[in-house]
Amino acid sequence: SQQGEEDPQALSIQEGENATMNCSYKTSINNLQWYRQNSGRGLVHLILIRSNEREKHSGRLRVTLDTSKKSSSLLITASRAADTASYFCATEGNFGNEKLTFGTGTRLTIIP
Amino acid sequence: DAMVIQNPRYQVTQFGKPVTLSCSQTLNHNVMYWYQQKSSQAPKLLFHYYDKDFNNEADTPDNFQSRRPNTSFCFLDIRSPGLGDAAMYLCATSTHGGETQYFGPGTRLLVL
Repeated sequence: SQQGEEDPQALSIQEGENATMNCSYKTSINNLQWYRQNSGRGLVHLILIRSNEREKHSGRLRVTLDTSKKSSSLLITASRAADTASYFCATEGNFGNEKLTFGTGTRLTIIP
Repeated sequence: DAMVIQNPRYQVTQFGKPVTLSCSQTLNHNVMYWYQQKSSQAPKLLFHYYDKDFNNEADTPDNFQSRRPNTSFCFLDIRSPGLGDAAMYLCATSTHGGETQYFGPGTRLLVL
């Protein structure tokens, strides 16, 4: 299985601090994506990074990808209470088979 | 706004009583997906359609079936729900394989 693993499983920080989550995966990929899920809701796409990219930014989000280590990190800067959610990485394998494989997720809690 | 809609948001059924969950999209995307997500776990892909081409995951139980009568609609049928099928069921769409997926809010299924 290519399912990714995320680290840590849970993270609690004070509002205003930065939050970093890590994702590791097992096989070669075309792209890696990060999604957010608020409790009891669907997933929302945050950012996509392709295998030939090393870093990408979107607002307060910064994603890095290291294909040699098969790992990615998501940094949320200046966290807000509204960032409280679960965060999942998802990878598209390089087989072109239209599927994403989701990681185990990190539960982020921002303490006001 | 273009979106993915799932009905109902909450579904209660009895053990062994067939149930159908529905998903519709106004995004005109080619690909539609059904995921099962149990508490604190990653979404698990059950099926996906590329247009009318149906793709079943190898470990999806036979108890789960799907229909896509047209581009906009997709249904998940659970023929004989068991207690272990209680979960959140998520529908998603994408323009083509492996790219950003757009999720509906999910249907939470409770089996009594």
